[in-house]
Amino acid sequence: NAGVTQTPKFQVLKTGQSMTLQCAQDMNHNSMYWYRQDPGMGLRLIYYSASEGTTDKGEVPNGYNVSRLNKREFSLRLESAAPSQTSVYFCASSEEERGGLAQYFGPGTRLLVL
Amino acid sequence: EDQVTQSPEALRLQEGESSSLNCSYTVSGLRGLFWYRQDPGKGPEFLFTLYSAGEEKEKERLKATLTKKESFLHITAPKPEDSATYLCAVRLVNYGQNFVFGPGTRLSVLP
Repeated sequence: NAGVTQTPKFQVLKTGQSMTLQCAQDMNHNSMYWYRQDPGMGLRLIYYSASEGTTDKGEVPNGYNVSRLNKREFSLRLESAAPSQTSVYFCASSEEERGGLAQYFGPGTRLLVL
Repeated sequence: EDQVTQSPEALRLQEGESSSLNCSYTVSGLRGLFWYRQDPGKGPEFLFTLYSAGEEKEKERLKATLTKKESFLHITAPKPEDSATYLCAVRLVNYGQNFVFGPGTRLSVLP
C-alpha cells in the first residue's frame, strides 16, 4: 500500500516549456487535490476533483490544467511554465473515515522554472 | 475574506517543556478544522479533524481542541522527534472540497 505517489520528484524547466505532474493513489479515495506550497504562504489549492470525471478550480488555478484520468490518477499540467510557478507541488487524496475527513498527501514535486 | 493564521511562527522548546500552538480562523462557514505535521522535504501528515466547538482529540503527546474562533494543539512533554512544522487548515461550508491552510508553526524540541 504505497498511499499517494507523485512523479517526478524534482524538475527544472525553462520559461515557456510544458510539463505534466503525475499523481496516483491506491486507497480507493474519491477525492483528489493539487496544492502548491510556497515559503510563508502555506498550502494553496490549485484544483480538486471530488470524484472521477469531475474537476473544480481552487484558489490559484491560473496557468494550470488538470485531468482526472480515472479514480486512481490525477495529473496537473503546466502548458507554458513561468518563474512564478516555481514551487513545491503536492497531490492529496481524501475520504470520509470514522472520525471525519482525512487528507493524505504525496511526497511532493519540487519544480524550478528558470 | 476567509483567513487562517497560526502563532507563533516558530517555537523552540526544551525536551519535556509543554506548550501550545494556536490556529485562528475567520471564515464564513466552518465545515471542519484539520491539523497536520510536516517534516522537511516531505508531504503533510494528517493528525486530527475537529468539527464542533468543544471537541477534543488526542494522539500520543498531542491534543487538539476547538473553539468557535480558534484551535489549539497542545504538546505535552515533547521529545526531539516532535520537531516539525505543524499546519492547520479549515474546510469551508460553501466551497465543496476547498481547504484553506495556515502558514504553519515550526517547532523545534531540543534534547
